[in-house]
Amino acid sequence: DVKVTQSSRYLVKRTGEKVFLECVQDMDHENMFWYRQDPGLGLRLIYFSYDVKMKEKGDIPEGYSVSREKKERFSLILESASTNQTSMYLCASSLTGGESPLHFGNGTRLTVT
Amino acid sequence: DQQVKQNSPSLSVQEGRISILNCDYTNSMFDYFLWYKKYPAEGPTFLISISSIKDKNEDGRFTVFLNKSAKHLSLHIVPSQPGDSAVYFCAAGFGNYKLTFGKGTLLTVNP
Repeated sequence: DVKVTQSSRYLVKRTGEKVFLECVQDMDHENMFWYRQDPGLGLRLIYFSYDVKMKEKGDIPEGYSVSREKKERFSLILESASTNQTSMYLCASSLTGGESPLHFGNGTRLTVT
Repeated sequence: DQQVKQNSPSLSVQEGRISILNCDYTNSMFDYFLWYKKYPAEGPTFLISISSIKDKNEDGRFTVFLNKSAKHLSLHIVPSQPGDSAVYFCAAGFGNYKLTFGKGTLLTVNP
């Protein structure tokens, strides 16, 4: 079974802090993704990566950056956290593109105060 | 602009009956569709997918139907079980990497 592990289940940060969300997958998947889930808005793609050191913007990249230095690890960075970034963050990986299903971690609930 | 729409925020059915979850899309470029299920405090898990070259795909109790002319797909669960109670997300994609998700439908299966 694919395992996607997000380092924290809950985080509380202050406005203006730099925040790192870490994600590791153990199945040698090529692609990794960061989504956020908000009530009434579903899942929205922030960034994705299809190879080491490669990244592409998703639908809502503003205020975020990412890093993928190793194939198994994909980090989401909030350079200066704001209250509107309070959300559930979900990391996912997939073996290939197209119909290859995403495998999600259990999420990180981030609260910015 | 919401390209994938799940117009029913919630659905309640009796155990043993059929659950039908609906999804509409606007982008005719989408060529594959997936359904995910999400329990509270867990990440979404993949359920079933369908390519645009098909109109039906079945996996056990789960069947997805695609009507390309109507830009509509539906997920049928027969028979419904209490353990099926979860939020169901419809997702659509084209090309290699980007999926667009709907807002989700909360299914409650009553014993």
